[in-house]
Amino acid sequence: DAGVIQSPRHEVTEMGQEVTLRCKPISGHNSLFWYRQTMMRGLELLIYFNNNVPIDDSGMPEDRFSAKMPNASFSTLKIQPSEPRDSAVYFCASSWGQYNEQFFGPGTRLTVL
Amino acid sequence: KNEVEQSPQNLTAQEGEFITINCSYSVGISALHWLQQHPGGGIVSLFMLSSGKKKHGRLIATINIQEKHSSLHITASHPRDSAVYICAVPPATDKLIFGTGTRLQVFP
Repeated sequence: DAGVIQSPRHEVTEMGQEVTLRCKPISGHNSLFWYRQTMMRGLELLIYFNNNVPIDDSGMPEDRFSAKMPNASFSTLKIQPSEPRDSAVYFCASSWGQYNEQFFGPGTRLTVL
Repeated sequence: KNEVEQSPQNLTAQEGEFITINCSYSVGISALHWLQQHPGGGIVSLFMLSSGKKKHGRLIATINIQEKHSSLHITASHPRDSAVYICAVPPATDKLIFGTGTRLQVFP
């Protein structure tokens, strides 16, 4: 298995632009998690899905952030409009069941200028 | 006070030394995760444990649920063990709460 796949690996954009991050979980996993990592706040859970349904999105910082999981093999995290404070590394992880070991993707390093 | 605290924050060691990283938490949990983040940024799950001890190669993780404490040990440390080690707990709300991490550097 290729593991969790994220794209793009790096994204540089200007303030106000829409940013879409993509994640393909490990085949067969039914839980998917989006995390954000910054120097100031460390790793934070933004949202997680179980069987494609959003279970908890209380970590989403504000309405500019949205996430979807249209099917078991694909999820997106969208920021519109982006702001410089959104600059961070965004990780996607998947697991079989939300209480089990999570497998992380390589992350997307987002820089908003 | 953070719900998950790790110590030490930074740790340097000589190759071959025995390493201990500690994690204390204040919430009730069903299991605790230990993660490793390499200098390149990738995150790998090392252990998930809910009681006792688990061993994988030179890595050993222990947990004491009553004392709300876990330790990660590395025997015969090697420069390739240099990384940030993060403990994380899922409290009743199911969301993982992460410690701030312990940055380990092992010198040859």
